[in-house]
Amino acid sequence: GQSLEQPSEVTAVEGAIVQINCTYQTSGFYGLSWYQQHDGGAPTFLSYNALDGLEETGRFSSFLSRSDSYGYLLLQELQMKDSASYFCAVRDGYGGATNKLIFGTGTLLAVQP
Amino acid sequence: DSGVTQTPKHLITATGQRVTLRCSPRSGDLSVYWYQQSLDQGLQFLIQYYNGEERAKGNILERFSAQQFPDLHSELNLSSLELGDSALYFCASSEQGAPTGELFFGEGSRLTVL
Repeated sequence: GQSLEQPSEVTAVEGAIVQINCTYQTSGFYGLSWYQQHDGGAPTFLSYNALDGLEETGRFSSFLSRSDSYGYLLLQELQMKDSASYFCAVRDGYGGATNKLIFGTGTLLAVQP
Repeated sequence: DSGVTQTPKHLITATGQRVTLRCSPRSGDLSVYWYQQSLDQGLQFLIQYYNGEERAKGNILERFSAQQFPDLHSELNLSSLELGDSALYFCASSEQGAPTGELFFGEGSRLTVL
């Protein structure tokens, strides 16, 4: 089967750093993505790792270790607006065939003043 | 605004009924993906169409069907509705060959089955 595991909830304070972990077990793997979703709104893309290592995009960074089937999203200088659900997702196809994503269960991040 | 349009935004119907959800992808995107999100759940992949043809299938119930039309818009048909079908249904589109495989999601259609 295919599964992605994330913590269900994380709480942190404004200005702090938080790490959201994701472990996966999937039949296909072409990369790990992270999406943010506010209050049942449209999920929006945050980052993508195809190879091992760290990718940095502003306050957000994402890490991947393919040998460990593990990745994480690091959020720095937390702001209240970062309160949302965060989903890791495995890319289960590549190029013209499909960019199908298999999503994890999601982590609800609550940022407190 | 992702550029992906979904209608209707909200839909309330009764068990046993049939509904159709509509999605228009971003201009130029050939792929459309359908996802179901139940309360406090992750996004479950249902089905993908690419330029009018079914390309990938997930855990889509037999009561559900989809199609993509020549103008690339897609419809998801849900029939013999049950209470458990109440969920947010998202449509997404992607650009062929994009290195990140980013999916652009619409705002979703919230279905309530009473």
